[in-house]
Amino acid sequence: NAGVMQNPRHLVRRRGQEARLRCSPMKGHSHVYWYRQLPEEGLKFMVYLQKENIIDESGMPKERFSAEFPKEGPSILRIQQVVRGDSAAYFCASSLRTGGVSYEQYFGPGTRLTVT
Amino acid sequence: DQQVKQNSPSLSVQEGRISILNCDYTNSMFDYFLWYKKYPAEGPTFLISISSIKDKNEDGRFTVFLNKSAKHLSLHIVPSQPGDSAVYFCAASPSSGANSKLTFGKGITLSVRP
Repeated sequence: NAGVMQNPRHLVRRRGQEARLRCSPMKGHSHVYWYRQLPEEGLKFMVYLQKENIIDESGMPKERFSAEFPKEGPSILRIQQVVRGDSAAYFCASSLRTGGVSYEQYFGPGTRLTVT
Repeated sequence: DQQVKQNSPSLSVQEGRISILNCDYTNSMFDYFLWYKKYPAEGPTFLISISSIKDKNEDGRFTVFLNKSAKHLSLHIVPSQPGDSAVYFCAASPSSGANSKLTFGKGITLSVRP
């Protein structure tokens, strides 16, 4: 039973390039969340998606960042024209759809983005 | 504005003793709380959670206590083991009847001495 998968694990981009981070949720999970962790900080929420829908993007920077979760395939977090301040660990989490009170989100290993 | 606060950045305890990790929150809308454990270069691992309708939840060596009036929760680990050495994050979520985003504290680094 594979957990949440993220790739690549490490990504190096030069300033101005594009970064694409991929996330495959746990089997049966239809909710995906993206978080960013800066050095010495906790995880900060970015965006929450269900299949083909963005539910909450209140944590996404207004420019250069976008996310999708297509009907088929992984969720993608895309950062255009990267800057040094985008260097961080990006974590994806997934959860099971439930009408009850289970809120556990299960995290992937993260993608460490370094912008040079 | 830090809505979830873990004011002690680190804690060191002797193997076999109790570890107590504290967390405070300011947002009254939070009513579901979780603890995650994180090793370097790995993603956070879910440990234990508690809903605001309870004041205690126990799972093996891990117990979480919630004091809603004080907006305070704590994670107790007993007995502590060297493998427990990691960063522990407290997280909170508002009541929405559905899955919702988590707000994390900055984490506490726990070191368990053999």
